[in-house]
Amino acid sequence: LAKTTQPISMDSYEGQEVNITCSHNNIATNDYITWYQQFPSQGPRFIIQGYKTKVTNEVASLFIPADRKSSTLSLPRVSLSDTAVYYCLVVAYSGAGSYQLTFGKGTKLSVIP
Amino acid sequence: ETGVTQSPTHLIKTRGQQVTLRCSSQSGHNTVSWYQQALGQGPQFIFQYYREEENGRGNFPPRFSGLQFPNYSSELNVNALELDDSALYLCASSLDREPSPLHFGNGTRLTVT
Repeated sequence: LAKTTQPISMDSYEGQEVNITCSHNNIATNDYITWYQQFPSQGPRFIIQGYKTKVTNEVASLFIPADRKSSTLSLPRVSLSDTAVYYCLVVAYSGAGSYQLTFGKGTKLSVIP
Repeated sequence: ETGVTQSPTHLIKTRGQQVTLRCSSQSGHNTVSWYQQALGQGPQFIFQYYREEENGRGNFPPRFSGLQFPNYSSELNVNALELDDSALYLCASSLDREPSPLHFGNGTRLTVT
């Protein structure tokens, strides 16, 4: 079962690019990597998902190196509204149609004016 | 498109009691998963249901059980409540059991006294 490790917190100024890295050393071949954003008193919200290399959508990019033992969420030009907790999630196929979902402990991002 | 709704939003129970939490999936989704989120921690995977069958379970004791109904709504039942069960319980639905974005509700805050 993949275990994930993320920095506990990060600070950034408005307008900067923020990169949050998640370590998942024992990720398996068929496992996917997903990132979520969570605001207080709300459920997590999907940001981006990937398997390998680089994925980009309208809000973020996800970089996954060839060994897949880590992944980096990149948020371009953050604003105050990006202040939230960001979670890395590994979705692992455990056989017979079953899955295990392992969230990291989250990175609290604080965006400073 | 109706999002994921959970009920109740808050609940207070006494140690040893039983509780049932409910979740309505997003329209068109056939997979539902449940998570326990302690204060300041990431969500912990409890189990997942796909078309009324459990297809993944995290490291939770058997007193945590669930059901998925033909309309894909779901229940989480917890027996013999313990003080450590106090947490935010999140439900998420997704389009299929294959890795796909999870759509979360805003959770049920359970307090066990």
